[in-house]
Amino acid sequence: AQSVTQLDSQVPVFEEAPVELRCNYSSSVSVYLFWYVQYPNQGLQLLLKYLSGSTLVKGINGFEAEFNKSQTSFHLRKPSVHISDTAEYFCAVSDLGAGGTSYGKLTFGQGTILTVHP
Amino acid sequence: EAGVAQSPRYKIIEKRQSVAFWCNPISGHATLYWYQQILGQGPKLLIQFQNNGVVDDSQLPKDRFSAERLKGVDSTLKIQPAKLEDSAVYLCASASLNSPLHFGNGTRLTVT
Repeated sequence: AQSVTQLDSQVPVFEEAPVELRCNYSSSVSVYLFWYVQYPNQGLQLLLKYLSGSTLVKGINGFEAEFNKSQTSFHLRKPSVHISDTAEYFCAVSDLGAGGTSYGKLTFGQGTILTVHP
Repeated sequence: EAGVAQSPRYKIIEKRQSVAFWCNPISGHATLYWYQQILGQGPKLLIQFQNNGVVDDSQLPKDRFSAERLKGVDSTLKIQPAKLEDSAVYLCASASLNSPLHFGNGTRLTVT
């Protein structure tokens, strides 16, 4: 079984400041890791994913995340946030190839609401 | 490419009534998922289809929830009878072997 813990339920930050959203996971097998963003009244949009290879992955909108296997973490970072980054962010993990697909099914964390103030 | 389509966007019903949600996945995506997102929580998987077969429905409350994907394309999720705790956003997602999950905008259900 897998689980995901997002360590902060809300993160307020001022515009142009850096931000880090923390995510820890637990799993007994190798996993894929994802960050999704959800704007109000919309579905989830993929920000970035870690499948293998380099532990630093870059995504859309200037976000990046670093996979740390020893600490079972996958923290999301952005060096300078904008007002438009205000949204809820979800960390997710999937087991490799379960159910006949390459990505398996996702287990999500509770979400972190990022609020960017002017 | 066109995204995952869901309807309706909003639905308000009274408890003990029935309701159905519809999902049209991205063309060519063999895998389809239904997730339930309760306010303040992350999405929770209800059921996963591979083509028209069920891969995982271990978290689907089968006494009141049902889902089908008869022709391996569109899918419907039904709740009968609804309870107050079923109030949530129901998200449909689809994926292929070479793509991660793509989500629709969801159906927001309010049970009064």
